[in-house]
Amino acid sequence: GAGVSQSPSNKVTEKGKDVELRCDPISGHTALYWYRQRLGQGLEFLIYFQGNSAPDKSGLPSDRFSAERTGESVSTLTIQRTQQEDSAVYLCASSWSSNQPQHFGDGTRLSIL
Amino acid sequence: DQQVKQNSPSLSVQEGRISILNCDYTNSMFDYFLWYKKYPAEGPTFLISISSIKDKNEDGRFTVFLNKSAKHLSLHIVPSQPGDSAVYFCAAKTGTASKLTFGTGTRLQVTL
Repeated sequence: GAGVSQSPSNKVTEKGKDVELRCDPISGHTALYWYRQRLGQGLEFLIYFQGNSAPDKSGLPSDRFSAERTGESVSTLTIQRTQQEDSAVYLCASSWSSNQPQHFGDGTRLSIL
Repeated sequence: DQQVKQNSPSLSVQEGRISILNCDYTNSMFDYFLWYKKYPAEGPTFLISISSIKDKNEDGRFTVFLNKSAKHLSLHIVPSQPGDSAVYFCAAKTGTASKLTFGTGTRLQVTL
């Protein structure tokens, strides 16, 4: 498709399990971002990729969170030993460059039981 | 530390009238501002942006105004249409950063 694609769209898991979220950016977009949105709040920045390097990881909330990107394509966000406070919608965005508007996917709704 | 604030959680406007959504920021280093629109269960969609070197930017029914001295921006939608009913997020960035800092959103309801 032409837009940012995220999978799964919904994920329910038990506390303590690991989860992996996937993002396929718009083809040709070199910049990729992960955000999360907790209920009733704005989007919270997690990490930014330029190509396959991550010059800004300042938003990752703990060492349980990690992300990688292969080339200028797919990115995965991994949360280890999930906690209930990790419940949120995780949104991925991409852009031609860091100075261009970011285009968002529909997100993965993560629920930790 | 909320650097971008949208103090009105909701707004109701009649179809055909003007909708004005407001946003305040505290970080004077922000130099680029964006508005996004979000429908339920979808990702935010980019609407319009403005650089700090301008005080107004128009795109069709949407106009964004920036008042740097007041650290305030607003989005005007004229005329409002029922399809404009959504949550609107204000976002800002500094020239050296890539990340966007978002407000908490304003839910706009356009009534018939």
